[in-house]
Amino acid sequence: SAVISQKPSRDICQRGTSLTIQCQVDSQVTMMFWYRQQPGQSLTLIATANQGSEATYESGFVIDKFPISRPNLTFSTLTVSNMSPEDSSIYLCSAVGNHLGAPNRQFFGPGTRLTVL
Amino acid sequence: ELKVEQNPLFLSMQEGKNYTIYCNYSTTSDRLYWYRQDPGKSLESLFVLLSNGAVKQEGRLMASLDTKARLSTLHITAAVHDLSATYFCAVAHAGGTSYGKLTFGQGTILTVHP
Repeated sequence: SAVISQKPSRDICQRGTSLTIQCQVDSQVTMMFWYRQQPGQSLTLIATANQGSEATYESGFVIDKFPISRPNLTFSTLTVSNMSPEDSSIYLCSAVGNHLGAPNRQFFGPGTRLTVL
Repeated sequence: ELKVEQNPLFLSMQEGKNYTIYCNYSTTSDRLYWYRQDPGKSLESLFVLLSNGAVKQEGRLMASLDTKARLSTLHITAAVHDLSATYFCAVAHAGGTSYGKLTFGQGTILTVHP
């Protein structure tokens, strides 16, 4: 199975600041995604991280708030901008693709637990 | 819009008993996933189901898929405490530009008691 790492694993931030989360996959993948899991809730897709082009955002999420980069096939970043306490969540990176040695499997990183004060 | 409904949302089981978690979804899909999440942890991939009638088993867990009914089940046999966790089903959006996107169910919090 694929190994997906995220940095930082957790952070406590002040409102109004920004945090960039990094996601690294140990092999080239077709698709990378960013999800949010609010406390006690299920996962919601934020956006698809497209390699070499702008991310595709889901309804309710905008680029100004959650800018995403994907400079190559194994790395992506998500920035949570101008944070408020409502942004306190776990942010998870996900990857899918036949390169992962398990066709059709979709794997998740360990998550970044963000607390905004 | 793809909607995914799980039930029950909370499940308290005695060790040794059997039970089933249900996952209903609203539109056609070619892949359905089951994940496990322990408190404070990320998601562990349990099963991916690709076709109508697919059945996968791993230990005390068995997952099945009925694409015509848009229903998947996760059956737990002879529950043990180690199975206590939150279980999510996730349904893949149909292909094209939506390839790889998942919509998750609400999750089922399973607690196994002695």
